Amino acid sequence: DQQVKQNSPSLSVQEGRISILNCDYTNSMFDYFLWYKKYPAEGPTFLISISSIKDKNEDGRFTVFLNKSAKHLSLHIVPSQPGDSAVYFCAAHSGTYKYIFGTGTRLKVLA
Amino acid sequence: DAGVTQSPTHLIKTRGQQVTLRCSPKSGHDTVSWYQQALGQGPQFIFQYYEEEERQRGNFPDRFSGHQFPNYSSELNVNALLLGDSALYLCASSGGLYESYEQYFGPGTRLTVT
Repeated sequence: DQQVKQNSPSLSVQEGRISILNCDYTNSMFDYFLWYKKYPAEGPTFLISISSIKDKNEDGRFTVFLNKSAKHLSLHIVPSQPGDSAVYFCAAHSGTYKYIFGTGTRLKVLA
Repeated sequence: DAGVTQSPTHLIKTRGQQVTLRCSPKSGHDTVSWYQQALGQGPQFIFQYYEEEERQRGNFPDRFSGHQFPNYSSELNVNALLLGDSALYLCASSGGLYESYEQYFGPGTRLTVT
């Protein structure tokens, strides 16, 4: 069973606009969520995280929102830049040290 | 400050063979996790090592085993290779003095089984 889902395999956004990447999860025991960006031929790069006790975390152009009742989190990138084009993964951590990743969303920012 | 390093970068093996992949964690980190990423999928958790012991394991058969050394580096061993083991194997490190949940990944080892 897929406990972390990214239902949009791809997304295209115009440069300067907002990119919104979504992630849904099923396990209410997840206590920490992370977003990673991955370029081809590289390992995932940590972007931003959020604890389950918060509903928002911001870091520069990146903001993550967590809606616990809906078991949904989203990553907002404002403004989007061509260099943001990559595959984005959300991941969830449970108290058992295990990290579960979604299948990724490929973001393409058009110049 | 060196990040997470992995070796080798690429590897080609034949079915039934055994393979060992290596990982050095980011400076200051004491925890190493291994993931398998198949094409078009997200990373799948294999196991995590802390204090030289396997702390948590994902849904992978016993053919997958690992080891952590006193300097926190780690190895992933896969025995009796199957075609389906072809994937990108990622190592991630975390923990340390200011332990946090963020994991930092290496560039991965691309394993091809023929």
